[in-house]
Amino acid sequence: EAAVTQSPRSKVAVTGGKVTLSCHQTNNHDYMYWYRQDTGHGLRLIHYSYVADSTEKGDIPDGYKASRPSQENFSLILELASLSQTAVYFCASSATGSGNTLYFGEGSRLIVV
Amino acid sequence: GEQVEQRPPHLSVPEGDSAVIICTYTDSATAYFYWYKQEPGAGLQLLMSVFSNVDRKEEQGLTVLLNKKDKQLSLNLTAAHPGDSAVYFCAPDTNAYKVIFGKGTHLHVLP
Repeated sequence: EAAVTQSPRSKVAVTGGKVTLSCHQTNNHDYMYWYRQDTGHGLRLIHYSYVADSTEKGDIPDGYKASRPSQENFSLILELASLSQTAVYFCASSATGSGNTLYFGEGSRLIVV
Repeated sequence: GEQVEQRPPHLSVPEGDSAVIICTYTDSATAYFYWYKQEPGAGLQLLMSVFSNVDRKEEQGLTVLLNKKDKQLSLNLTAAHPGDSAVYFCAPDTNAYKVIFGKGTHLHVLP
């Protein structure tokens, strides 16, 4: 069974603080993604990666950095968290970049106060 | 780039009735189409996928119709039951990495 696990599942952060969301997959997939979910907006792509040590910008990368130290791990970093970054964040993986199922983690709820 | 409109945003149907969710997209080169289901507090799970050369696909009480001429994709849950209550997303896949999600439809099946 494909598995994508995220940590933490929930976090409260202060404005201006640093937040790191972690994702680990055991699918042996090359592609990993970070999405943000907001009410009324569906899911929007923040960053993605198709190989270790390389990341690419998605549709809404401003205010976020990503790190892919290995095939299994993909992190999302908020260097200076802001109120507008309060959302649910989902990590996903896929075997290739197109025509393949996305396997999602259960999400990380971030509240910035 | 690809634009996706999904409707309705909210849908309530009695148990046993059908529920229809519709998406329109703009990129005629879209090759793959997905429907994902999100249950409360969980991530998204693939419901069905269709390739662009398929007009109709049926699986386990679900029917996906693809109208390429009108760039419209629909999901029909026949005989919905309370366990189908969830948020449903359409997701056209235009090319490498670029899966665009609709805004979702909150389906509530009334027992």
